[in-house]
Amino acid sequence: LAKTTQPISMDSYEGQEVNITCSHNNIATNDYITWYQQFPSQGPRFIIQGYKTKVTNEVASLFIPADRKSSTLSLPRVSLSDTAVYYCLVGDPYTGTASKLTFGTGTRLQVTL
Amino acid sequence: DTAVSQTPKYLVTQMGNDKSIKCEQNLGHDTMYWYKQDSKKFLKIMFSYNNKELIINETVPNRFSPKSPDKAHLNLHINSLELGDSAVYFCASSHPGTGELFFGEGSRLTVL
Repeated sequence: LAKTTQPISMDSYEGQEVNITCSHNNIATNDYITWYQQFPSQGPRFIIQGYKTKVTNEVASLFIPADRKSSTLSLPRVSLSDTAVYYCLVGDPYTGTASKLTFGTGTRLQVTL
Repeated sequence: DTAVSQTPKYLVTQMGNDKSIKCEQNLGHDTMYWYKQDSKKFLKIMFSYNNKELIINETVPNRFSPKSPDKAHLNLHINSLELGDSAVYFCASSHPGTGELFFGEGSRLTVL
């Protein structure tokens, strides 16, 4: 299973763009990269998933370089409500290894005025 | 409608007691999980069930016994509770196509 490494914490002001990078040097060919968000006293919530290049949805963008050894979650114009822990996971959702997705330490994002 | 619901939300008990946490999902998913999140916020998978069958047991002490009466339910029973069992336990299910995990709100267990 690919191990992931993320910054422990990040700080941002409201309205700024936040980029959180995750390293996954031994990602396997069939692995996808998935990001989750967790608020205090809640379960993690899916944000975005991608395999290569760029994926964008209404919440975030995910940038994955050609070698796929890292990925960057981009949150445009964060607000106070984006204060949360963000987890990067890698795994193959189609052959069952998603069952063994390992959540790393996550990145604690603190947004202030 | 809550997609993944677990009860109770809070549980305070004495060492040595036995307790259960229940989980139900109404998403029609075949695969369900139990995760444990400790005080340092590490989220570790404990068990995974697919269509009522155990497929993953991540070296969890045998004091922990999951039970799946049907594919919509996955309960967790813990015998002889220890101080180190204090944590938040999350139930989840996964979408068969994308692997996206859907988590419950968590059950905070405190062992005194």
